Amino acid sequence: SQELEQSPQSLIVQEGKNLTINCTSSKTLYGLYWYKQKYGEGLIFLMMLQKGGEEKSHEKITAKLDEKKQQSSLHITASQPSHAGIYLCGADITGTASKLTFGTGTRLQVTL
Amino acid sequence: GAVVSQHPSWVICKSGTSVKIECRSLDFQATTMFWYRQFPKQSLMLMATSNEGSKATYEQGVEKDKFLINHASLTLSTLTVTSAHPEDSSFYICSARGPRDQPQHFGDGTRLSIL
Repeated sequence: SQELEQSPQSLIVQEGKNLTINCTSSKTLYGLYWYKQKYGEGLIFLMMLQKGGEEKSHEKITAKLDEKKQQSSLHITASQPSHAGIYLCGADITGTASKLTFGTGTRLQVTL
Repeated sequence: GAVVSQHPSWVICKSGTSVKIECRSLDFQATTMFWYRQFPKQSLMLMATSNEGSKATYEQGVEKDKFLINHASLTLSTLTVTSAHPEDSSFYICSARGPRDQPQHFGDGTRLSIL
């Protein structure tokens, strides 16, 4: 089984709607990173969370880290077509900050 | 800031050829660079971690003689796929990071197709 599971695997939302993507770890989270990838391209860094209870926002995207639940959520408010893509969470589960383990990804489509 | 350039973006070559992929951090010094492989509709699989001036650390199951990594400077790492075969066809992505408390920044990836 995967060490880092994302849900849902895919999501289709209408423009203007809110959505939430979850990232759940089977191990302790020492740091959690959210990235966005467009098909066939590299990853764009969105946010980094390092402390339990931490919450960060950038434009219409908010990410939270629940250390106790070993979980992070990414929330998009009033989605736009530009939000479409694959969202990946990456986590430091070793505690050494030496490498990241990536989640299974969530494919987001935003319809007009 | 934090721009990572990966080149080439696309390679098609014959079986048995060796292919070199470059990863450069353009506006910061990358103490550590990472090489990933991504299969269609799947997540990133870490292949190896390289620190400037030292040997790369390979993940379990990755052949170090097959995937040669060099990190000769704080801004450049290269991955050479030696004697490539069709099963090596994939999307390879590099990332670079400065200090440990900073995020990894990714290149745009290289699509490798071996005929």
